[in-house]
Amino acid sequence: QLQLQESGPGLVKPSETLSLTCTVSGGSISSSSYYWGWIRQPPGKGLEWIGSIYQIGSTYYKASLKSRVTISVDTSKNQFSLKLTSVTAADTALYYCAREGYGGNYWYFDLWGRGTLVTVSS
Amino acid sequence: SSELTQDPAVSVALGQTVRITCQGDSLRRYYASWYQQKPGQAPVLVIYGINNRPSGIPDRLSGSSSGNTASLTITGAQAEDEADYYCHSRDSSGNHRVFGGGTKLTVL
Repeated sequence: QLQLQESGPGLVKPSETLSLTCTVSGGSISSSSYYWGWIRQPPGKGLEWIGSIYQIGSTYYKASLKSRVTISVDTSKNQFSLKLTSVTAADTALYYCAREGYGGNYWYFDLWGRGTLVTVSS
Repeated sequence: SSELTQDPAVSVALGQTVRITCQGDSLRRYYASWYQQKPGQAPVLVIYGINNRPSGIPDRLSGSSSGNTASLTITGAQAEDEADYYCHSRDSSGNHRVFGGGTKLTVL
C-alpha cells in the first residue's frame, strides 16, 4: 500500500529557507500518471494548496507563492521536495504532501502524508 | 480569499440529512472533490469527480453539482461524520488548484 511521509526541520528562522521532503513508499513515484503535491494548513485554519509536480518535472505553483516556491522530484530516491524561501511567521503551518490524481475535468488528492509542523521563529 | 466559497459552519441532527455547499465560477467547468478532516488528522478524500467514493467511504456521503455550486450530501448523519469538510477544484483560470475555506459540521 502506497504511503507518503514528510520529513524536515520543525523550526525555521525568519528569512531562511524551509525545506521538506516527502518519501513515497510501497510503490514507485514514477510508475503511474499522478501529480505529487504540497498543501499546508496554518494552525486553526483551512487548507492551502502550495504546488504540484508531475513525474516528468512539470511544476505548478500557487500564484501568490510562486516567487518563493520550488518543488522537485528525485525518482531515484522515490521522493519529492518543497523549498520555500524567505519565510515569515505567516508560513508557520502543518505541511502535507499528497498524491494527486485526475480525470477528464476533475482532480483529487487521494493519498496524504500525516503532515509535519513547521514553525517559523527566531 | 478563496475562489471557492463554503459556509463556515453547518449543523445537523443525528440521523438527518445535511448538504454542504461549495460555490465558485470554476465549478461551471470542473467538478469538485471533497475532503473530511477530523481534529489532529490529515484530510481524507471522500468524494471526487461526478460522484465517486474511494474505497471505505460510506454511501451515505454523496456529491452533486449544478451551475456554480458543488454539494456534499450526508444522508442519515452519524456522530462520526462530525468534522471539517473542504471542497477542492481548479481556479477560474484552470491553471491552479484551490481549496474552499472549509465547513465545520456539527452533529447534534
